[in-house]
Amino acid sequence: QVQLVESGGGVVQPGRSLRLSCVASGFIFTNYAIHWVRQAPGKGLEWVALMSHDGSTKYYADSVKGRFTISRDNSKNTLYLQLSNLRTADTAVYYCARAHSPNKNNWFDPWGQGTLVTVSS
Amino acid sequence: EIVMTQSPATVSVSPGGRATLSCRASQPISTDVAWYQQKRGQAPRLLIYAASTRATDIPARFSGSGSGTDFTLTISSLQSEDSAVYYCQQYNDWPPYTFGQGTKLEIK
Repeated sequence: QVQLVESGGGVVQPGRSLRLSCVASGFIFTNYAIHWVRQAPGKGLEWVALMSHDGSTKYYADSVKGRFTISRDNSKNTLYLQLSNLRTADTAVYYCARAHSPNKNNWFDPWGQGTLVTVSS
Repeated sequence: EIVMTQSPATVSVSPGGRATLSCRASQPISTDVAWYQQKRGQAPRLLIYAASTRATDIPARFSGSGSGTDFTLTISSLQSEDSAVYYCQQYNDWPPYTFGQGTKLEIK
């Protein structure tokens, strides 16, 4: 079945870096755009970044632009999010989510189970 | 940036009843709206896309409507398992993709 599995979360000090991974299975990875979405404790959903199916295009939320970098390794069916210069406000569960349709940027389905990033001194 | 505003923040409905959740976009977005259900401790799950099309395996008790700026998610024959937070999302004009702040549905 179609599945996304995130990993790489943990506790990190402000100003440090962390890399999240999202391993995909059950579909042709190179046909789909993938997103990162985060959710701070007790808060709503915030879109973070998007990478196109072929890796040619990347988009970021203003809140992370210049600090986070999205990338993908199609040979490993894996999407990454490099988090740098972390702030306490970046504390959240980070989800990866696939665009529903191949070669299109539309709604998100499915979602991974999430990985928790805690930024604290 | 398109702002999505959901109302009410919390709604309480009896089992077997019907809940109506609203979502308003700050500018017209055609029918480019999705609805997601998020139960406590779980990832969001797609319910509705294109404003009114149910996702795979979503029961007919869930229905969506609307176009332009005003959208509604209606859940009928409510069951205890429907307790969750529901989010609307627009994918008409991006980046950024934007979500509403969520409506918490309580079944009492």
